[in-house]
Amino acid sequence: AQSVAQPEDQVNVAEGNPLTVKCTYSVSGNPYLFWYVQYPNRGLQFLLKYITGDNLVKGSYGFEAEFNKSQTSFHLKKPSALVSDSALYFCAVRAAPQTGANNLFFGTGTRLTVIP
Amino acid sequence: DGGITQSPKYLFRKEGQNVTLSCEQNLNHDAMYWYRQDPGQGLRLIYYSQIVNDFQKGDIAEGYSVSREKKESFPLTVTSAQKNPTAFYLCASSMGGGITEAFFGQGTRLTVV
Repeated sequence: AQSVAQPEDQVNVAEGNPLTVKCTYSVSGNPYLFWYVQYPNRGLQFLLKYITGDNLVKGSYGFEAEFNKSQTSFHLKKPSALVSDSALYFCAVRAAPQTGANNLFFGTGTRLTVIP
Repeated sequence: DGGITQSPKYLFRKEGQNVTLSCEQNLNHDAMYWYRQDPGQGLRLIYYSQIVNDFQKGDIAEGYSVSREKKESFPLTVTSAQKNPTAFYLCASSMGGGITEAFFGQGTRLTVV
């Protein structure tokens, strides 16, 4: 079975400081991993994805994420947080097609607050 | 301007009524999805469709129905059998499965009054 865990409901960080939003996953076979951001009363916006290759993935708005297979993690990072980064962040996983599963499974979300 | 359009943005339903949420995409995507979002529970999959005239139940399909008569459209009906329909509903589409990311609409907030 596929699942995603975001262990922190809330992350607070001061503006200009580095931020990390944690994600761990469980999936049969190779994972495809995604990060999305949601602003209030809006849909989700795609930030970045890991499919294969380099474990460090760069995405939109200066965000990056590091895939760690041994720890089954895919933490979202940014070197310097902005107040405008404050939003709800979702990690998602999809199993590789060979497993026959096509669903995109989401974590419960982490609310990031960047303090001016 | 390509994207996914959900309508209406806000919807109020009386108990016992069926309501239909609209989702239209002009991205030429094969796959479409409906998710339900409740506070603290993330997104849960209701139904998904990988091709026209075909769809599969997700994790919480009870009390919902869908159709996929056209590639561009994937309407969701919330029936009176859904016991707790008040939620934020999100429609998404993708080129297929696998490595492709999903694109989301702006959501419909359904409230039972």
